[in-house]
Amino acid sequence: DTAVSQTPKYLVTQMGNDKSIKCEQNLGHDTMYWYKQDSKKFLKIMFSYNNKELIINETVPNRFSPKSPDKAHLNLHINSLELGDSAVYFCASSQDQAYSYEQYFGPGTRLTVT
Amino acid sequence: GDSVTQMEGPVTLSEEAFLTINCTYTATGYPSLFWYVQYPGEGLQLLLKATKADDKGSNKGFEATYRKETTSFHLEKGSVQVSDSAVYFCALTNLNSWGKFQFGAGTQVVVTP
Repeated sequence: DTAVSQTPKYLVTQMGNDKSIKCEQNLGHDTMYWYKQDSKKFLKIMFSYNNKELIINETVPNRFSPKSPDKAHLNLHINSLELGDSAVYFCASSQDQAYSYEQYFGPGTRLTVT
Repeated sequence: GDSVTQMEGPVTLSEEAFLTINCTYTATGYPSLFWYVQYPGEGLQLLLKATKADDKGSNKGFEATYRKETTSFHLEKGSVQVSDSAVYFCALTNLNSWGKFQFGAGTQVVVTP
């Protein structure tokens, strides 16, 4: 069983479209995250939810909206896609938000905006 | 704010060579430190971690020791294999950071036969 799964793995779309990426974890963790990895492999956190409550909201355009229907799922919706949104998006989870806990990452969603 | 600095890559090695990837950090207090590995086309996998000064994390032949005095967490492996070719990330989290990870820029390692 995959611990943290994301769908889709690849997403190719045109500028201006709206798209969603879904994430699910079966680890029983309380906290989930979204990261963006750019073409140089640099990783930046975007959002974090703990038990469905938003706890980290970095400086991200408000075209990006996370939603957590329950603590096992964290989805990312992106409106009005732009070329600069092209990246790999990773979902992750951890037992809770305590600073000693490692995060478990999903396989990533490669978003290409044309 | 907290930050992590890693040596730039790519690091190219022959099989069975010794690998060191330098990682230093800037943080208040006593952060937890991690090494993650990313194989091509995959997500990040935890390699090892250390949560207090002088702790040594180890896994799959890799080791790193949390050095508070030099604010470092260098990754080492005594004899690399071709299968160790990947990007390696050093990361930290700190108290009151809500689990937020600060990642280094990543170091690509290429091991040739």
